[in-house]
Amino acid sequence: GQQVMQIPQYQHVQEGEDFTTYCNSSTTLSNIQWYKQRPGGHPVFLIQLVKSGEVKKQKRLTFQFGEAKKNSSLHITATQTTDVGTYFCAGHHRSNYQLIWGAGTKLIIKP
Amino acid sequence: GAGVSQSPSNKVTEKGKDVELRCDPISGHTALYWYRQSLGQGLEFLIYFQGNSAPDKSGLPSDRFSAERTGGSVSTLTIQRTQQEDSAVYLCASTLFGGGSGNTIYFGEGSWLTVV
Repeated sequence: GQQVMQIPQYQHVQEGEDFTTYCNSSTTLSNIQWYKQRPGGHPVFLIQLVKSGEVKKQKRLTFQFGEAKKNSSLHITATQTTDVGTYFCAGHHRSNYQLIWGAGTKLIIKP
Repeated sequence: GAGVSQSPSNKVTEKGKDVELRCDPISGHTALYWYRQSLGQGLEFLIYFQGNSAPDKSGLPSDRFSAERTGGSVSTLTIQRTQQEDSAVYLCASTLFGGGSGNTIYFGEGSWLTVV
């Protein structure tokens, strides 16, 4: 079936280091969305990518959508404690109402 | 309403009892989703409503789970004869349109269910 694989499951970083999470789909996506879930909270929408090769930036966050529209990444530069949480990707396959979710990558800041 | 509203926010129930979880989506949103998230895990799709109908119930874990939506608005997720493995947070979400249009999904705060 349609799947979105997301890696890594966890990433421990020192504050100020960079963080990256990757998503790969088994089939072409019509679009991909990214969400952030703080500990104890619910997922909150960050951004949507639609075009092949699209790159979008939000301050220290950079989102990319692959040329084949099968993969995507989120990169955070110089992490801060406010970045802590789990980052999920979720993709729509063509003609499919359902978002296929990655398993999430948990960003942990080392004390 | 201003956002997706869920109730109760927390529910502790005894094994074998039935529970009802309620979701009030954003006004005007036609699509409504139920997800389940166990502690530290990803999102598990349960059911999707477009209007009052549910084209896909395949995510419901067993026949103890059912959901309905009335008036194209409020939805209720019912779990009968609860089991300890049902303990999780149940998240409701809504979008303006369904059908893979890529609308932003807005989540409620979730209903945290603990079965003891």
